[in-house]
Amino acid sequence: EAGVAQSPRYKIIEKRQSVAFWCNPISGHATLYWYQQILGQGPKLLIQFQNNGVVDDSQLPKDRFSAERLKGVDSTLKIQPAKLEDSAVYLCASSIDRVPYEQYFGPGTRLTVT
Amino acid sequence: AQSVAQPEDQVNVAEGNPLTVKCTYSVSGNPYLFWYVQYPNRGLQFLLKYITGDNLVKGSYGFEAEFNKSQTSFHLKKPSALVSDSALYFCAVRDQTNAGKSTFGDGTTLTVKP
Repeated sequence: EAGVAQSPRYKIIEKRQSVAFWCNPISGHATLYWYQQILGQGPKLLIQFQNNGVVDDSQLPKDRFSAERLKGVDSTLKIQPAKLEDSAVYLCASSIDRVPYEQYFGPGTRLTVT
Repeated sequence: AQSVAQPEDQVNVAEGNPLTVKCTYSVSGNPYLFWYVQYPNRGLQFLLKYITGDNLVKGSYGFEAEFNKSQTSFHLKKPSALVSDSALYFCAVRDQTNAGKSTFGDGTTLTVKP
């Protein structure tokens, strides 16, 4: 079974530029999560999709971050414009939409904003 | 708001000794609880979960965790540590709704010395 795929693995941009990350979840997983992991901290949930719908985006900085999940499969997370404090690893995870809900994580995208 | 606390940033044990990585949580209602492990340069991996039933749950690589409702704790344990267990461990809690939000702790670095 293929795991969660993410691209790119690394990205370096200057502040005020835009960037997009892509995620392809495990086949059949209805729930998709985007997390931000700053060095030394645990993953912080940015947005959670169930199929096409958003079930939680309370911690997504909506003035600069956006995310979509078309057709309930792939998802894209965008940052525009980027700030220095956005430097982090962006993790995508997926799970089935019922108990036991354990999440399967992709390798992450390490973003550096200079 | 739900939260997870991992009171120790670092745990050091000698190979062959038992290990404990501590986790306490706060959530409305009954929790689903998880442990994840992150090896260097690798993604987060699911280790074990508590959903319901026996308070002692067993997971991958010989790890187990004990759920204590009165103390709101979910400590990770292993009877005999291996050098290869050295990694970053995250505790996570999810509330028991279909669209429950997951909250992670900030992680504990486990170092097992030969």
